[in-house]
Amino acid sequence: NAGVTQTPKFQVLKTGQSMTLQCAQDMNHNSMYWYRQDPGMGLRLIYYSASEGTTDKGEVPNGYNVSRLNKREFSLRLESAAPSQTSVYFCASTEGGRGFKQFFGPGTRLTVL
Amino acid sequence: GENVEQHPSTLSVQEGDSAVIKCTYSDSASNYFPWYKQELGKGPQLIIDIRSNVGEKKDQRIAVTLNKTAKHFSLHITETQPEDSAVYFCAASISSGSARQLTFGSGTQLTVLP
Repeated sequence: NAGVTQTPKFQVLKTGQSMTLQCAQDMNHNSMYWYRQDPGMGLRLIYYSASEGTTDKGEVPNGYNVSRLNKREFSLRLESAAPSQTSVYFCASTEGGRGFKQFFGPGTRLTVL
Repeated sequence: GENVEQHPSTLSVQEGDSAVIKCTYSDSASNYFPWYKQELGKGPQLIIDIRSNVGEKKDQRIAVTLNKTAKHFSLHITETQPEDSAVYFCAASISSGSARQLTFGSGTQLTVLP
């Protein structure tokens, strides 16, 4: 099992450009999450998907959109990137329902110039 | 919403000594408390977790304690080794509908000095 995979690993954008971060999991988990990590601030939840076909806002959703493509894949889109979105982005998944343990991908380091 | 505070932000210990990291949470409805270890350039890795119906859990050199009354929980690492050096995050979780959301502390950079 590869667990949670993310692409790309690194990305540099110019202000105003758009891009999509990809995430996939092979653990048959129901719930998937997107976080951003900034120095000294831990991880903050951007969006999550409790199950296929549903998405909900987290703590910091402004400037982002998500798509739960199927049970395996959950993508994060930046429509018009801003320097404030420079961060490391992590995708995670969990069984959902009574499942507690959340597993993280390796991250995408995004720089917006 | 939930707020999790973590202390200290940095911690240096000599190899073989113990390390303790403490977290407090605000929402008494939180019922699951995981700890994650993050090595440089990698994603967080779950190392131990505890549910609110348990006061203490141990896994080899790592233990977690939970005080529900005071709303705080702690990570204890004994006999520290250089490979324990990493950033450690605590989190608290409430089950929200059909999804479980984690609120993270700000992290502790642990350095184990040889």
